[in-house]
Amino acid sequence: DGGITQSPKYLFRKEGQNVTLSCEQNLNHDAMYWYRQDPGQGLRLIYYSQIVNDFQKGDIAEGYSVSREKKESFPLTVTSAQKNPTAFYLCASPSPGPNTEAFFGQGTRLTVV
Amino acid sequence: RKEVEQDPGPFNVPEGATVAFNCTYSNSASQSFFWYRQDCRKEPKLLMSVYSSGNEDGRFTAQLNRASQYISLLIRDSKLSDSATYLCVVNPGGKLIFGQGTELSVKP
Repeated sequence: DGGITQSPKYLFRKEGQNVTLSCEQNLNHDAMYWYRQDPGQGLRLIYYSQIVNDFQKGDIAEGYSVSREKKESFPLTVTSAQKNPTAFYLCASPSPGPNTEAFFGQGTRLTVV
Repeated sequence: RKEVEQDPGPFNVPEGATVAFNCTYSNSASQSFFWYRQDCRKEPKLLMSVYSSGNEDGRFTAQLNRASQYISLLIRDSKLSDSATYLCVVNPGGKLIFGQGTELSVKP
């Protein structure tokens, strides 16, 4: 079945460490997105990529980095510069066309310990 | 002003009630609109797209008002299983912007 796979589901990070969240899709979609969700809040856009080898900052890109070397993969690195990284991270990929449905991975819950 | 704003929640309603959510967006060039449902600690799932002519899917009706830049979701005959957070999503071109969500709790 086509879909988006995020790993790991739960991740614990010590302060000062960089961690990388994985997002893989086999939908053959060009676009991929990373969102952050805090408790009781909506989704805020971190980075997005419309095509391989290209990506743009979203609304809250500071302290994060991404790469898009392959169409299927869009990993997100949470760097030590991100002061409050504990959150639920969601990767999404919209289908092509004007009325695009976004397919989501199951999310990664990151906790700083 | 936020790009997408939703009614603040939570909404607590009895079973069988009709409930409506509103969402406003700031970018008049926005091209497509959606309602997503999110259950606790899960990923959002598409509930319905919102078309200019309005659309209905069973107990759910979505409306778009481009002149006033808002979309709405009406849920009739609420069920316990409708309890969730409802997210308004707008595509201003090239990216999907989510509202902060409105929590709905349907009580027996």
